[in-house]
Amino acid sequence: ETGVTQSPTHLIKTRGQQVTLRCSSQSGHNTVSWYQQALGQGPQFIFQYYREEENGRGNFPPRFSGLQFPNYSSELNVNALELDDSALYLCASSSGTGKNIQYFGAGTRLSVL
Amino acid sequence: RKEVEQDPGPFNVPEGATVAFNCTYSNSASQSFFWYRQDCRKEPKLLMSVYSSGNEDGRFTAQLNRASQYISLLIRDSKLSDSATYLCVVSLTSNTGKLIFGQGTTLQVKP
Repeated sequence: ETGVTQSPTHLIKTRGQQVTLRCSSQSGHNTVSWYQQALGQGPQFIFQYYREEENGRGNFPPRFSGLQFPNYSSELNVNALELDDSALYLCASSSGTGKNIQYFGAGTRLSVL
Repeated sequence: RKEVEQDPGPFNVPEGATVAFNCTYSNSASQSFFWYRQDCRKEPKLLMSVYSSGNEDGRFTAQLNRASQYISLLIRDSKLSDSATYLCVVSLTSNTGKLIFGQGTTLQVKP
């Protein structure tokens, strides 16, 4: 296994609510990336944190925000949930060196009703 | 134009067959290239990195053509357990930065 853990595994919310997803990175990794994967699509990059600083952001609105803690674990927060936010949210950790190989957690499956 | 394009398939092949997947990428400045495998409703897992010289890992061979911006994956002697979605992945930078995924190609190996 990758050593990347995510919680919760499943979540059901209603439109307009807020959600926080959590990720613990692999030991020794200082970089965490978040991706959204809709059914039948490849994962889409949301943002990345490197040593507690945001290091790039994809084409997602500001209601998607994040945080990285000193132990390199991370949170993804989504405000004002919309139906289209229903997806698998994947966290990936990497060492910040080499060829940018990223290791994924099992994901959080979010359903917005 | 999508940044990474793959034929979504599905590819339905018998056990023991050889199957090839291709993908193209749009940014010539791309630095790192990978194939990830994703089983149904699971997370993507790194299958192999791809190098310009070509590389092999058992039954799997990956090739990169930078001039054509083209990446391939060849699977020989397909097993039932190879059934999955194969994701072509590109990174514009080394070390850190986002991974850019193709849509994925679905492979179904039948007995």
